[in-house]
Amino acid sequence: DAKTTQPNSMESNEEEPVHLPCNHSTISGTDYIHWYRQLPSQGPEYVIHGLTSNVNNRMASLAIAEDRKSSTLILHRATLRDAAVYYCILDSGSARQLTFGSGTQLTVLP
Amino acid sequence: ETGVTQSPTHLIKTRGQQVTLRCSSQSGHNTVSWYQQALGQGPQFIFQYYREEENGRGNFPPRFSGLQFPNYSSELNVNALELDDSALYLCASSHVAGQGNYGYTFGSGTRLTVV
Repeated sequence: DAKTTQPNSMESNEEEPVHLPCNHSTISGTDYIHWYRQLPSQGPEYVIHGLTSNVNNRMASLAIAEDRKSSTLILHRATLRDAAVYYCILDSGSARQLTFGSGTQLTVLP
Repeated sequence: ETGVTQSPTHLIKTRGQQVTLRCSSQSGHNTVSWYQQALGQGPQFIFQYYREEENGRGNFPPRFSGLQFPNYSSELNVNALELDDSALYLCASSHVAGQGNYGYTFGSGTRLTVV
């Protein structure tokens, strides 16, 4: 499976935007980029996914580099409830599994 | 729509025992996957079931087995429990087997402690 690289931890102030980076230099043409987050004592929660174009939904935006070797998850206004571990995952579909790395622990400061 | 529900939420077992964990998929989903998450680590894929058959397996020994039922609910069975089996076990359902453009819905997990 293609590998992703994320910072171990990041901090943000409440109500400020947060940009969470992810590198995936070995991504293949059919890999979708998925983001999940895991709040304490809960299972992972789907956030957003994309293939080539930037994507927006009610939770976040996903900016994908033109060469697709990196992407950025954007939380437009961080809240305390956004404090979680954020996972960037490549999903080819044919692998039938999600391969989680260690993710980025996001701390939101009041 | 209902989400993914798992039972029990917590469980304590003795080394060598057997355990069965249960999962009800989200309505409309026909595929279920199981993951093991050790403390401080990301979830690790155990296996996936589609149409009641195993549809992919991670690097777990045969004492980890599963079932999917006609209503798409699922069980994870672990025999001969070891101390290292202590973890959060997560169930995830999806609509189509492994399609890259569909998301997975996870349950809150079962916390298994082996003593």
